Amino acid sequence: GAGVSQSPRYKVAKRGQDVALRCDPISGHVSLFWYQQALGQGPEFLTYFQNEAQLDKSGLPSDRFFAERPEGSVSTLKIQRTQQEDSAVYLCASSLEALSNEQFFGPGTRLTVL
Amino acid sequence: GENVEQHPSTLSVQEGDSAVIKCTYSDSASNYFPWYKQELGKGPQLIIDIRSNVGEKKDQRIAVTLNKTAKHFSLHITETQPEDSAVYFCAASKGRDKIIFGKGTRLHILP
Repeated sequence: GAGVSQSPRYKVAKRGQDVALRCDPISGHVSLFWYQQALGQGPEFLTYFQNEAQLDKSGLPSDRFFAERPEGSVSTLKIQRTQQEDSAVYLCASSLEALSNEQFFGPGTRLTVL
Repeated sequence: GENVEQHPSTLSVQEGDSAVIKCTYSDSASNYFPWYKQELGKGPQLIIDIRSNVGEKKDQRIAVTLNKTAKHFSLHITETQPEDSAVYFCAASKGRDKIIFGKGTRLHILP
């Protein structure tokens, strides 16, 4: 069956450019999470949506990072004025219910900022 | 906030032998402990999880143990096979909250 999909899979940006990363969660999944994974590290939480409501954005590293999920399904993570330290894999995960712990991850978008 | 420590960072075992990865957590309110396997170029895949009301869980060659008092939990893989080679992450969560990951263990299965 269809899992979580993310696009693009790879993105190269020049420093200062804006980027938008897309996540398509599993159909019907209520919760959606974004994580950032630096090379050789574990994923780190960025933000969490329950349907269209952004309930936790405590992990966003700066105000250059913005996420939205306007219709409670597809989500976009936007990074403005990219910096080299933004280079990482950005992972999206979804879970079926608000009370569910199990998160299903997408393949990630590898962002490289030159 | 929660902090998850994972050891070792790299582990090499002979095919057929067992592998053990250990983790500790800091927040006694954490009650859900998943383990993820990540292969190159892919997202983490849940392989097994355990909740705080259970001390041990087994699924074929994989088992997890949890010691709530000591805030320790471990992953045991028996009869290792080449396809077990990957990076494994332990994690902790408080119910519906975000998942806090360890730094990962790179497991090599030697022929």
